[in-house]
Amino acid sequence: DQQVKQNSPSLSVQEGRISILNCDYTNSMFDYFLWYKKYPAEGPTFLISISSIKDKNEDGRFTVFLNKSAKHLSLHIVPSQPGDSAVYFCAASGRSGGGADGLTFGKGTHLIIQP
Amino acid sequence: DSGVTQTPKHLITATGQRVTLRCSPRSGDLSVYWYQQSLDQGLQFLIQYYNGEERAKGNILERFSAQQFPDLHSELNLSSLELGDSALYFCASSPSGQGGYEQYFGPGTRLTVT
Repeated sequence: DQQVKQNSPSLSVQEGRISILNCDYTNSMFDYFLWYKKYPAEGPTFLISISSIKDKNEDGRFTVFLNKSAKHLSLHIVPSQPGDSAVYFCAASGRSGGGADGLTFGKGTHLIIQP
Repeated sequence: DSGVTQTPKHLITATGQRVTLRCSPRSGDLSVYWYQQSLDQGLQFLIQYYNGEERAKGNILERFSAQQFPDLHSELNLSSLELGDSALYFCASSPSGQGGYEQYFGPGTRLTVT
């Protein structure tokens, strides 16, 4: 049972345009969400995160939007650059019971930026 | 460079064997997490240690175990290896033992079981 879903395995966007990557989750105990970028043969690199008390967080070209009622988040990259071509993972964690949780990851979206 | 180091980078071994993967967290981070990335399952959380103590368990098999040492480095031990254990194993670290903080990942160890 996938608790974090990224329904688009791949996405192709022209350089300079906006890239929008989507993620849905089912576990209402999740309250912290993260996006990671991964190149082949490297570990995931943290990009941006958002707490469930916010609906938007921005860092440079990256903005994450959270819609709690729809259990949906999205990552906007604008403008898209060739170096953004990578696999993007959505991840979630919960603070249920005050304990620690590992991250639950989606299967990833391969973003390809076309020149 | 995340500041998290993992050794070895690659490991090839036979079924039935035992291996140890090593991870050093970022300076100052007290939590270490282990993840497995396989082709069919994606990235899956295995286990977390915080300041030397086990804090949370995910989908970790009984054949696998981990520990965190006083200098905060961690080792993941995989025994009675099967072909299906072939995967990328990542270690991540964070400053806190609780959720709500980003985790920083190492470059991974690629394990091939033949």
